[in-house]
Amino acid sequence: DVKVTQSSRYLVKRTGEKVFLECVQDMDHENMFWYRQDPGLGLRLIYFSYDVKMKEKGDIPEGYSVSREKKERFSLILESASTNQTSMYLCASRRGGDTGELFFGEGSRLTVL
Amino acid sequence: SQQGEEDPQALSIQEGENATMNCSYKTSINNLQWYRQNSGRGLVHLILIRSNEREKHSGRLRVTLDTSKKSSSLLITASRAADTASYFCATDRGSGNTPLVFGKGTRLSVIA
Repeated sequence: DVKVTQSSRYLVKRTGEKVFLECVQDMDHENMFWYRQDPGLGLRLIYFSYDVKMKEKGDIPEGYSVSREKKERFSLILESASTNQTSMYLCASRRGGDTGELFFGEGSRLTVL
Repeated sequence: SQQGEEDPQALSIQEGENATMNCSYKTSINNLQWYRQNSGRGLVHLILIRSNEREKHSGRLRVTLDTSKKSSSLLITASRAADTASYFCATDRGSGNTPLVFGKGTRLSVIA
């Protein structure tokens, strides 16, 4: 069964902490994405990657960075967490060269106090 | 960024009734997709319709696409309580291998 796994379903962090959100997919997909989801705002694209070591800014990259050292793993990093980064974070992947179906993880709900 | 907008924001129906959700978008697309999200979970792909298609069926789902009006609709027939979820439309950005842009979703409640 194909899968996108996000390492933590729920996290609580303090303002200023460095936060790592990990995402691993087992489908050999080239493309990986990080979205955040907030009530009334829908899903917004933070960063994406079309290949190992490659990254592109999405629509709301400020305050975030990413790392893609291996094809199957795409990490989202909050260098210094702030309360306005409290959100649901969703990782997704799909085949390269394709505008088709995205496969999502279960999400990581982050609360920053 | 371009974004699909779903309508209505929320919909409440009785089991057995049909549910219709609409999506409008702003620029040309290669395809439009619909996703479902159960509360607190990730999104699951339902159906994809290409820009040269007008209608597509999958089980109890029927999707239509009108590129001249830049709109799509998702019809769920004979709804069940298990259909209770949020439904999102998503579009590409019109060229090549681009990330999907999601709407804000329609929250569907099916009452048994």
